[in-house]
Amino acid sequence: NAGVTQTPKFRILKIGQSMTLQCTQDMNHNYMYWYRQDPGMGLKLIYYSVGAGITDKGEVPNGYNVSRSTTEDFPLRLELAAPSQTSVYFCASSPPNSYEQYFGPGTRLTVT
Amino acid sequence: GQQLNQSPQSMFIQEGEDVSMNCTSSSIFNTWLWYKQDPGEGPVLLIALYKAGELTSNGRLTAQFGITRKDSFLNISASIPSDVGIYFCAGRSAGNMLTFGGGTRLMVKP
Repeated sequence: NAGVTQTPKFRILKIGQSMTLQCTQDMNHNYMYWYRQDPGMGLKLIYYSVGAGITDKGEVPNGYNVSRSTTEDFPLRLELAAPSQTSVYFCASSPPNSYEQYFGPGTRLTVT
Repeated sequence: GQQLNQSPQSMFIQEGEDVSMNCTSSSIFNTWLWYKQDPGEGPVLLIALYKAGELTSNGRLTAQFGITRKDSFLNISASIPSDVGIYFCAGRSAGNMLTFGGGTRLMVKP
């Protein structure tokens, strides 16, 4: 199993551009999550999904959108990038009947 | 929203020393998790705690779920250079959502 994979690893965007951060897991986990981590801080939940077709907002959803058309994939979309979205983004998943979340390697995004 | 206060924020210790860090909250949690993050990587799960008072070990790491359910502790015995990293606590109150602490940055001097 590759676990949770994320692409790209790094990206620089100009203000107002859009992009999609990809996240895939091959562990058949039903729960998936997107977090952002600002420098020297903990993780904040952006969006989560309890299964294909179901998504919900986390603590900091503004400026982002998600979709979950399959169990494996949970992309995060930034429509109009702003400097405040400069951060490291982590995707995570957890199996049924477990609260243990497993993280991908992260995407480092800079908006200038 | 819920907040987790993690302390210390950073610590610089000598190799071989024991390390203690903790997380406290004004809210009750039903699950506590401890993660380690190496530079440029995602957090990796170290220990999960499910019951108040539970004490669980993973090698040189020992974590405890506080009796009040508002705190948790992580101890590392006989630290080695590869223990360097940021340690995060995370608490779950309801559902599957986790609240993360701000992290403890551990530096080890050989």
